[in-house]
Amino acid sequence: SAVISQKPSRDICQRGTSLTIQCQVDSQVTMMFWYRQQPGQSLTLIATANQGSEATYESGFVIDKFPISRPNLTFSTLTVSNMSPEDSSIYLCSVRDYEQYFGPGTRLTVT
Amino acid sequence: KQEVTQIPAALSVPEGENLVLNCSFTDSAIYNLQWFRQDPGKGLTSLLLIQSSQREQTSGRLNASLDKSSGRSTLYIAASQPGDSATYLCAASYSGAGSYQLTFGKGTKLSVIP
Repeated sequence: SAVISQKPSRDICQRGTSLTIQCQVDSQVTMMFWYRQQPGQSLTLIATANQGSEATYESGFVIDKFPISRPNLTFSTLTVSNMSPEDSSIYLCSVRDYEQYFGPGTRLTVT
Repeated sequence: KQEVTQIPAALSVPEGENLVLNCSFTDSAIYNLQWFRQDPGKGLTSLLLIQSSQREQTSGRLNASLDKSSGRSTLYIAASQPGDSATYLCAASYSGAGSYQLTFGKGTKLSVIP
């Protein structure tokens, strides 16, 4: 199984600012996934991050708003840019081995 | 587009009762189905994964079944305990865009009353 850590665990940010979330995995993985869970909703895939290539974004998510870095096989970052209150969510990093594993999440509140 | 539905949205049972959580999916061409547990404000913990070729999986007091033909999966929890209180999510995995993607249901919030 994969052990995933995320930083920060939570943050309160002002409208118009940006926050970068870090995800660290204890083993090398080809693909890392970023999900969003809005209040009272289920998880929605934002993008898939492959090492050495551009991230693949799902419908409704764009690189300018959610830029992703994947510098190596154990690390990725997701930036939430120009934040608005609608971006208040839990952001989760995930990897797939035999099963899908998730990090503890970053709870973001935008005021 | 795959859609996953979980019924009921919330469930409250007395301690010791056996219970079943339901999950339905629209596209039977799934790769696998996974059940997760989410505690308030926390990430997801994987409970059971059923491959498309399997009918069920068991782990301790948990048993998950899969019926692709009817597009349904169930999670059976035996002898429920207050520590089982959490939101249970099912997710169907299917092949798309060069990778396997998960589609999640909205979850069933379970409360086990002591």
